[in-house]
Amino acid sequence: DVKVTQSSRYLVKRTGEKVFLECVQDMDHENMFWYRQDPGLGLRLIYFSYDVKMKEKGDIPEGYSVSREKKERFSLILESASTNQTSMYLCASAPRFGGEQYFGPGTRLTVT
Amino acid sequence: AQSVTQLDSQVPVFEEAPVELRCNYSSSVSVYLFWYVQYPNQGLQLLLKYLSGSTLVESINGFEAEFNKSQTSFHLRKPSVHISDTAEYFCAVLPRGYQKVTFGTGTKLQVIP
Repeated sequence: DVKVTQSSRYLVKRTGEKVFLECVQDMDHENMFWYRQDPGLGLRLIYFSYDVKMKEKGDIPEGYSVSREKKERFSLILESASTNQTSMYLCASAPRFGGEQYFGPGTRLTVT
Repeated sequence: AQSVTQLDSQVPVFEEAPVELRCNYSSSVSVYLFWYVQYPNQGLQLLLKYLSGSTLVESINGFEAEFNKSQTSFHLRKPSVHISDTAEYFCAVLPRGYQKVTFGTGTKLQVIP
């Protein structure tokens, strides 16, 4: 059974903290994605990676960075968390071209 | 650039009634089309997809969607809904040869007993 796992289901952080969200996939997919999901806005792409150490900005990269040192792992970093980054964060992986995306269960992050 | 429009944010429907969730897209190139479903407190999972061939695609739980190129639509239908279909449904478009998917804003289907 294919699987995408995320390090935490729920996370509460304080303003200004550095936050790491981890995502691991076991399908040997080239592509990995980080989205945030907010009511009424659907899924918005933050960053995606198409290979190890390769990344590309999505639609809303401001305030975020990513790291992909191994093919199976893609990390999202909030350098200095702010309250407007309170959201649901979804990780996904996909084959290089034309394939469906496989999603993790999500991390609900609250920044206070 | 591509875009996806899901006009209905919420659709209430009685159990065993038919339902249609609408999706329109725009793209300057040919696309792949997807419907994903999200149950409460879960990630998204693929419901069905159109890649090529027959324009009518079906899921294992009775949903179907038809790709209409002239109307740039990919509406999702089910002839008789069940309580367990209560979820949020997302339409998505992936331009061929590209790697970034664009998602619609989602439609919450509420099945009323």
